[in-house]
Amino acid sequence: EIVLTQSPATLSLSPGERATLSCRASQSVRSTYLAWYQQKPGQSPRLLIYDASHRAAGIPDRFSGSGSGTDFTLTISRLEPEDFAVYFCQQYAIFPGTFGGGTKVEIK
Amino acid sequence: EVQLLESGGGLEQPGGSLRLSCVVSGFSLSNYVVSWVRQAPGKGLEWVSSLSGSGSSKYADSVKGRFTISRDISKKTLYLQMSSLRAEDTAVYYCVREDQFLESLYNYWGQGTQVTVSS
Repeated sequence: EIVLTQSPATLSLSPGERATLSCRASQSVRSTYLAWYQQKPGQSPRLLIYDASHRAAGIPDRFSGSGSGTDFTLTISRLEPEDFAVYFCQQYAIFPGTFGGGTKVEIK
Repeated sequence: EVQLLESGGGLEQPGGSLRLSCVVSGFSLSNYVVSWVRQAPGKGLEWVSSLSGSGSSKYADSVKGRFTISRDISKKTLYLQMSSLRAEDTAVYYCVREDQFLESLYNYWGQGTQVTVSS
């Protein structure tokens, strides 16, 4: 099983700032099969990024993903008020897909 | 438009049973893998079970032998029969549809149904 470790656990930023979230895998993720999801309070997760760097349909271009192997990054270029949420990374290279513990992006 | 709508959650005692339902629209259960993913309070996400378009099922070790996934294609409904419930099964259960080509990539999520196991 691939274990994903996300850091930091909490990121306190102001609207307009840049957010950089990290996801580290316990072993290399084949074919960059790494996704990012956003979850707002009381809502279900929403797919943001798949294959490490491809935005899902309807996702604004301020969200970008990068990385390969064991280190992956989600960047939000300029935080909008609606971006304050919890973000999970997930690998789907090895069944079953496993999730990281999440990073909460909160308003500073 | 793809939609998934769960129901059937509630409060149940340890050792009891519950059946979750997920009504889908915008696609056929015959053509996609649909899964259950759960989220314990304040915790991360955990895959529970999957049912492929062809009808083959998979289960997490934590629920194998206790949970059964099934479907009624004509009713466009996926089920999760949960028995021998434990406190650690307490979670929000999401019905999710996988990507057509990428196993375990979850494109669409339902709103979730809360399951609480407590005496």
